[in-house]
Amino acid sequence: AQSVAQPEDQVNVAEGNPLTVKCTYSVSGNPYLFWYVQYPNRGLQFLLKYITGDNLVKGSYGFEAEFNKSQTSFHLKKPSALVSDSALYFCAVRDIKSGGANNLFFGTGTRLTVIP
Amino acid sequence: SAVISQKPSRDICQRGTSLTIQCQVDSQVTMMFWYRQQPGQSLTLIATANQGSEATYESGFVIDKFPISRPNLTFSTLTVSNMSPEDSSIYLCSVGTSAYEQYFGPGTRLTVT
Repeated sequence: AQSVAQPEDQVNVAEGNPLTVKCTYSVSGNPYLFWYVQYPNRGLQFLLKYITGDNLVKGSYGFEAEFNKSQTSFHLKKPSALVSDSALYFCAVRDIKSGGANNLFFGTGTRLTVIP
Repeated sequence: SAVISQKPSRDICQRGTSLTIQCQVDSQVTMMFWYRQQPGQSLTLIATANQGSEATYESGFVIDKFPISRPNLTFSTLTVSNMSPEDSSIYLCSVGTSAYEQYFGPGTRLTVT
């Protein structure tokens, strides 16, 4: 079975500082990992994914994530936080099932607040 | 990425009634999914909507409570039947791509009184 853990419910960071939102995973095979962001009263937006290849993946809005197989982690990062980055962030892993459906298993979410 | 719309965007319903949520995609997609996001919680997959066949439900979700239709490759509906306050949630549809990504609709915020 697949699982995703986001150990921090809340992360606060000052504007302009680097930010990290943590995610660890557990899968039986090779992981397909994703980050999504949810702004207030809006649906989820895809940020980035790791399927294979380079461990550092770049995504939308200047975000990037580093896949670390030995630590089973996929932390989301940004070099310089903006107030507009304040939102709810979800890490997700692909749930491998017969038939190839790529439904996702989500973590519990981390609320990021960027302080002006 | 696909553009996904949902109707209604929100509704307030009385207990015991049913609500049908529509999901429309601007292009043909093979994979469509329905999720529930209860207040302050993460997303939980309800079912995979299969075109031309019955939906595939996840553990804890049954067809009698959440019937799903998928008449073609651009449209699906989810009905929340015989509602109770515990059904108050945001319901989201999503579509899967061949690149393993999923794109989500804006959600339907349901409040059951």
